[in-house]
Amino acid sequence: ENVMTQSPSTLSVSPGERVTLSCRATETVSGNLAWYQQKPGQAPRLLIYGASTRARSIPARFSGSGSGTEFTLTISSLQAEDFGVYYCQRYDDWPPSITFGQGTRLEIK
Amino acid sequence: QVYLVQSGAEVKKPGASLKVSCKASGYPFITYGLHWVRLAAGQGLEWLGWINPGNNDSRYSEKFQGRVTITRDTSTNTAYMELSSLKSEDTAVYFCARDLGMSSSVFEYWGQGTLVTVSS
Repeated sequence: ENVMTQSPSTLSVSPGERVTLSCRATETVSGNLAWYQQKPGQAPRLLIYGASTRARSIPARFSGSGSGTEFTLTISSLQAEDFGVYYCQRYDDWPPSITFGQGTRLEIK
Repeated sequence: QVYLVQSGAEVKKPGASLKVSCKASGYPFITYGLHWVRLAAGQGLEWLGWINPGNNDSRYSEKFQGRVTITRDTSTNTAYMELSSLKSEDTAVYFCARDLGMSSSVFEYWGQGTLVTVSS
């Protein structure tokens, strides 16, 4: 099983600062990597897919990068509304096989 | 506007079965795949399975194979997720999510979630 490990588990950052979240796989995932943001009581929200493609209506301050087994989500200038838990997700082309990381909780200082 | 509206919260006893619905609107139902994902307290997101509403093909996570069944009704644009032999560990919020395409496995739109509590 391809296990996804996210770091750090929790992060507390001041508005305006740059944030980098990491996601590491035990096996190569090629470019099939997505990122989601989830706020309390809400459904997850798609941010990035294909490792670096921003989803519709996602602000440009969110960017994704990486390949192979190492991936990064960057928030260039943290806004107050960016709090929540961030999950990475690896997915196979076919048949569907999906694994999520355990999440990184992002708190606003 | 795409909407996925799920059925309401449920309380079940261990060993019982669960059926959650997800009514889609705002797009051609048979053109996009639908997935089911859950979030248990203190745990991360977990994928249960997928359905092609067009031809009723479905695939499941190995963890839930044999216990989960995903179906659809094209006359009402509704997908269903059934989970049998419930255990306390199945207590979670269950989400349906629309695929970016048919089987990209990227979840572009989500339902509001259905809280399922399994308790004796």
